Amino acid sequence: DAGVIQSPRHEVTEMGQEVTLRCKPISGHDYLFWYRQTMMRGLELLIYFNNNVPIDDSGMPEDRFSAKMPNASFSTLKIQPSEPRDSAVYFCASSFFGGAGSTDTQYFGPGTRLTVL
Amino acid sequence: SQQGEEDPQALSIQEGENATMNCSYKTSINNLQWYRQNSGRGLVHLILIRSNEREKHSGRLRVTLDTSKKSSSLLITASRAADTASYFCATGGSGYSTLTFGKGTMLLVSP
Repeated sequence: DAGVIQSPRHEVTEMGQEVTLRCKPISGHDYLFWYRQTMMRGLELLIYFNNNVPIDDSGMPEDRFSAKMPNASFSTLKIQPSEPRDSAVYFCASSFFGGAGSTDTQYFGPGTRLTVL
Repeated sequence: SQQGEEDPQALSIQEGENATMNCSYKTSINNLQWYRQNSGRGLVHLILIRSNEREKHSGRLRVTLDTSKKSSSLLITASRAADTASYFCATGGSGYSTLTFGKGTMLLVSP
């Protein structure tokens, strides 16, 4: 398997522009997570999905952030409008829950480095 | 707030030496995991220890867990320059749950 795929790897945009980050989870995984990583705040969970349904979006910082998962193999994180303080590395991760006794090990993508000027 | 807190924040050693990183957490857990992050890359799962286990080995890695003290340690023996990375602990709850990550320990191994 190719692992979790994210695109783009780098994004530079100007304040006010819309930004869309994309993620393809590992095939067969039923959980998908979006994280944001900064030096100041570390790794923050933004939102996660189970079987394409958003379960907890309490980590989404503002209404400017939205995430969708239209099918099991694709998710997007959108920021509209973007602001300089959104500059960070955004990671997508996926995992598989195999029932009682299984673990919640997560598999991370390479991340998207977002710079908002 | 962060569940896991790693200590030290940064560690610098020479190749061949052992590196020990610690993690403390606050609430009861089902398992504790360690991840590595190389510069500019995503996190990679290293090892998992369940709450009913006290020690686990994987290659040059040794993880211990003390649930009474709510702490864990990761030991990397005979370190190599390629071990240079940030190391994160993450705790998982009962059933299926999200992981809560600490802020990590930056390890620098000099040749």
